[in-house]
Amino acid sequence: GAGVSQSPSNKVTEKGKDVELRCDPISGHTALYWYRQSLGQGLEFLIYFQGNSAPDKSGLPSDRFSAERTGGSVSTLTIQRTQQEDSAVYLCASSLVGFRGAYGYTFGSGTRLTVV
Amino acid sequence: AQTVTQSQPEMSVQEAETVTLSCTYDTSESDYYLFWYKQPPSRQMILVIRQEAYKQQNATENRFSVNFQKAAKSFSLKISDSQLGDAAMYFCALAVFSGGGADGLTFGKGTHLIIQP
Repeated sequence: GAGVSQSPSNKVTEKGKDVELRCDPISGHTALYWYRQSLGQGLEFLIYFQGNSAPDKSGLPSDRFSAERTGGSVSTLTIQRTQQEDSAVYLCASSLVGFRGAYGYTFGSGTRLTVV
Repeated sequence: AQTVTQSQPEMSVQEAETVTLSCTYDTSESDYYLFWYKQPPSRQMILVIRQEAYKQQNATENRFSVNFQKAAKSFSLKISDSQLGDAAMYFCALAVFSGGGADGLTFGKGTHLIIQP
């Protein structure tokens, strides 16, 4: 697609429920990143995928968070047993990777998750 | 590890005036990019300007320019002739290159820019 698409745009869920957030990156972008933006905070790195390599999960805050990227394209971020502190905007970005590393990061509009 | 610091949580400027947003960073890498992103209420992060660390010349994009001081690890953004549409959160970000990997961005906490009509 022309840009990075994220769905849903907004999600309200009850504490303890599982949620899935979707990211559809720009076609041809091999790198995909998930970030979390809590109210009044900058962006916190969660996870990134690069081609067929093992994902870098170093930013995931707990084992309740997981992510998959199927066929090198669409990614799903899953949060199990949601807690109120998980409330945030979850942003996805994709990028091209050149010989000097990634450049040209493009962001989606994010999913605002509210846990009640 | 990389860090990015934005020391101004909020800035206010009169329309048509000039404002400078501050950013300092820290990295042990010598090869990296610096970015300024704008985030309006729509939430989408919009690239404002990008600077390659190996380039001495400061990047410029229309009314937006940077003052890149590599030795001081400083990367400020100057917005000239401020317009109402410039009102947004501005984030400074750093991407390092190490082994050609797809390194992610490290962000500062942002500066909320208010434009007074």
